[in-house]
Formats: sequence, structure tokens, C-alpha cells
Amino acid sequence: SQQGEEDPQALSIQEGENATMNCSYKTSINNLQWYRQNSGRGLVHLILIRSNEREKHSGRLRVTLDTSKKSSSLLITASRAADTASYFCATDARRTTDSWGKLQFGAGTQVVVTP
Amino acid sequence: GAGVSQSPRYKVAKRGQDVALRCDPISGHVSLFWYQQALGQGPEFLTYFQNEAQLDKSGLPSDRFFAERPEGSVSTLKIQRTQQEDSAVYLCASSPRWGIDTQYFGPGTRLTVL
Repeated sequence: SQQGEEDPQALSIQEGENATMNCSYKTSINNLQWYRQNSGRGLVHLILIRSNEREKHSGRLRVTLDTSKKSSSLLITASRAADTASYFCATDARRTTDSWGKLQFGAGTQVVVTP
Repeated sequence: GAGVSQSPRYKVAKRGQDVALRCDPISGHVSLFWYQQALGQGPEFLTYFQNEAQLDKSGLPSDRFFAERPEGSVSTLKIQRTQQEDSAVYLCASSPRWGIDTQYFGPGTRLTVL
């Protein structure tokens, strides 16, 4: 079973536009991470936001986290054709014992950026 | 430095065959994870190692799946008597420590069971 759900499932934009995707999850978390996966390749870590953080930036990426709504958003500004990929959110669920980082992924958002 | 590597990258097996998938984590990484990714889905957790100890195997789908990491570095995921539903990409990830940390993923092994 998957913890997170990304919305939308697919997104098609033109170069230069911003892309926003959302992730909702079910249980309390230690942190939430966003990964990118290009066709036929492994996952690349983009950004990690901890449960006590509300917003984080990395280059053209902006991530927000609202633990009261159990949701996160990823914004890619000034998109490029190279941003074409699937984007996944992954949560590290909070447990009573020490967390060791088991991740639960959503089904992903497929982003296509056309020149 | 070298990232996580996996071999083979592609594997075709006939139903009923046994397969072994290898993961070479980043040198010195304590934690190692295996995930299974079906077509069009996100990865799903299979099992976790801290050094050579397998601390969680709750995600293994059946007793046909077995993983080991005998010396705390290289890991092997073995699937016995493969079935068509085992067809997926198998991803390995490692991280430097236990606990809350970024996971570094390998390219995956795409297994197709005919």
C-alpha cells in the first residue's frame, strides 16, 4: 500500500512556466522527501523537509509542508525540457522507536515540459 | 565517487526460474534498502539492512523472496520460482547512517518474467 498520493497524475507545461504538484499522506511523519525519476533510470533525491519545517528552497525548487493537512507541494519555477520526469513524494513515518528511514512513496506525477 | 550500482540492469526469466539481483551500495553506507517498483507506480519497500543485520523484511511479498548482506556491504535479493507478478523494477538504495537521512538510489534492475 502507498502512503502518499500525488496530484495531478500528469502535468504538461511549456518551458519557462512553473509546475506545481501536491502530495497528501495519511500518517504522522518525521520528514517528507521529493524524488525525481527520469525514464528508465533510478530515483534522484531533490529535497527533504522535516516535520518541524514549513518551507524549503533549493535552486528552482520550492517545497512546502502543512502537517495539519498532511500535505506537501513541490513547485518548479522556470521549467526546462530537462525537468521532464516523474516526481514522487516519499514519507518517513513517525514511529515510537527510533526511525531508520523506511520510505513510503506515492504513485508520482508525470511532468512533461515542451520546448 | 561511485554511486549505488546494480546488476544486472535487465533480467528476463522464465516462470519458475530463480534469479539473483545484486546491489553495490556507496562505500561506507550503513543502511541499505530494497524497493520494488511496478510499472506506473511508486517504489514499495521490501526490506532494510543496517550493516549486515536485516532489521525489517516486512515488505517482502512472499517466502520466495530472500535478501542478504553478509558482510555489511554488497547485498543480493533472490527470488525463487519466479512468477509473472514478480515482473517489476527492483531498486536498491543506501544511506550513510541509520535514521532520518537521504537515500541514494541505484539505477534498478528491470525483471521480466515470461
